[in-house]
Amino acid sequence: DTAVSQTPKYLVTQMGNDKSIKCEQNLGHDTMYWYKQDSKKFLKIMFSYNNKELIINETVPNRFSPKSPDKAHLNLHINSLELGDSAVYFCASSQFPHEQFFGPGTRLTVL
Amino acid sequence: AQSVAQPEDQVNVAEGNPLTVKCTYSVSGNPYLFWYVQYPNRGLQFLLKYITGDNLVKGSYGFEAEFNKSQTSFHLKKPSALVSDSALYFCAVREPGGGNKLTFGTGTQLKVEL
Repeated sequence: DTAVSQTPKYLVTQMGNDKSIKCEQNLGHDTMYWYKQDSKKFLKIMFSYNNKELIINETVPNRFSPKSPDKAHLNLHINSLELGDSAVYFCASSQFPHEQFFGPGTRLTVL
Repeated sequence: AQSVAQPEDQVNVAEGNPLTVKCTYSVSGNPYLFWYVQYPNRGLQFLLKYITGDNLVKGSYGFEAEFNKSQTSFHLKKPSALVSDSALYFCAVREPGGGNKLTFGTGTQLKVEL
């Protein structure tokens, strides 16, 4: 059983387009996260939701908008994609204060 | 603000030898500390954590880590390295009362050679 799943796994798109990445967890956790991993493998948190409430919102351009329809889902919508948005995006979940479980990642390439 | 340092970009070790991947941290108060491993084109996998209690923490795949408060360190260790341990290792810290925010180090690439 997949604990944290993301779709799509790969996303190739043109600059200026709008795209979404979906995340689902079946662990019953109360908290979900989005991370960005850049080309140097540096990992940085973008957002965190606890029971559908936004609790962490790092300095991320407002072109990025997370949406949590329920506790098990956290989607990431990106408007007006830029070259610098190319990265691997990871979703994660946890039952606070325990460890986070990560999804397999979505590799976004903006051309 | 909390921070984590992994001073080595890469660690090379021969199979069968002990390995150490270093991590130091900076937080206000007592930290929650974690180690994760990332294999190529995969997500991060949890290895072990320190919240409270014994300073020596045992985790998955034979890894362990020692919490040292005076040196603000949480080094990852394994008595006998395997080629299959070759991967990217991340140390992470969370401040108590800091919500769920986990700050990661820059990662250390471990290469285990025959």
